[in-house]
Amino acid sequence: QLVLTQSPSASASLGASVKLTCTLGSGHSSYVIAWHQQQPEKGPRYLMKLKSDGSHSKGDGIPDRFSGSSSGAERYLTISSLQSEDEADYYCQTWGTGMVVFGGGTKLTVL
Amino acid sequence: QVQLVESGGGVVQPGRSLRLSCAASGFTFSNYGMHWVRQAPGKGLEWVAVIWYDGSHKYYADSVKGRFTISRDNSKNTLYLQMNSLRAEDTALYYCARETGYCSGGSCYYSGDFDYWGQGTLVTVSS
Repeated sequence: QLVLTQSPSASASLGASVKLTCTLGSGHSSYVIAWHQQQPEKGPRYLMKLKSDGSHSKGDGIPDRFSGSSSGAERYLTISSLQSEDEADYYCQTWGTGMVVFGGGTKLTVL
Repeated sequence: QVQLVESGGGVVQPGRSLRLSCAASGFTFSNYGMHWVRQAPGKGLEWVAVIWYDGSHKYYADSVKGRFTISRDNSKNTLYLQMNSLRAEDTALYYCARETGYCSGGSCYYSGDFDYWGQGTLVTVSS
């Protein structure tokens, strides 16, 4: 079964870095995922596509502070030099034939 | 620039129907697969349905299969979601989203990630 698991919450200080994790279910460790950001009261925004080898391609206008990496079944989103506007929900997404799956989302608090 | 604008949401009684629309602009609509995704109040994102660039294939989440129908009119650059037999649990903000994958000139590049989203339209199912 294609599933994505995310921690419900994370926090980090202004100006620091944070690494969010998305874990693919058993048997799907090679899958490509995408990361999306949803700021409060806004629609989601595409951040990047992230492959199993860690290579990633970012969406239009996404700052260099956002980067992705991979290790086995884990996909990471790293945000450096945290800013107040980075406080948001972050969702990972993957897909198969005729289906799309989202992780439960991680709520990031910038302290 | 790419724009997706949803409309058609509102308050509807259980068992009734509603049709959502998503007007697309800023890109060649007929080249891209399109999706509907919903978000119940205070909850995460839930995928609803996808339609291929030419309308030839459609897939649905189990939670809406048999009740919802996705369609598109490429001449009008518009995506639709016909929702029948609505239930309280269908209450959500409904987003349309574009796939990064596309077909053009007989060649297709498949990728199921969503690179653009609309701002959403709210559907409330309540008596």
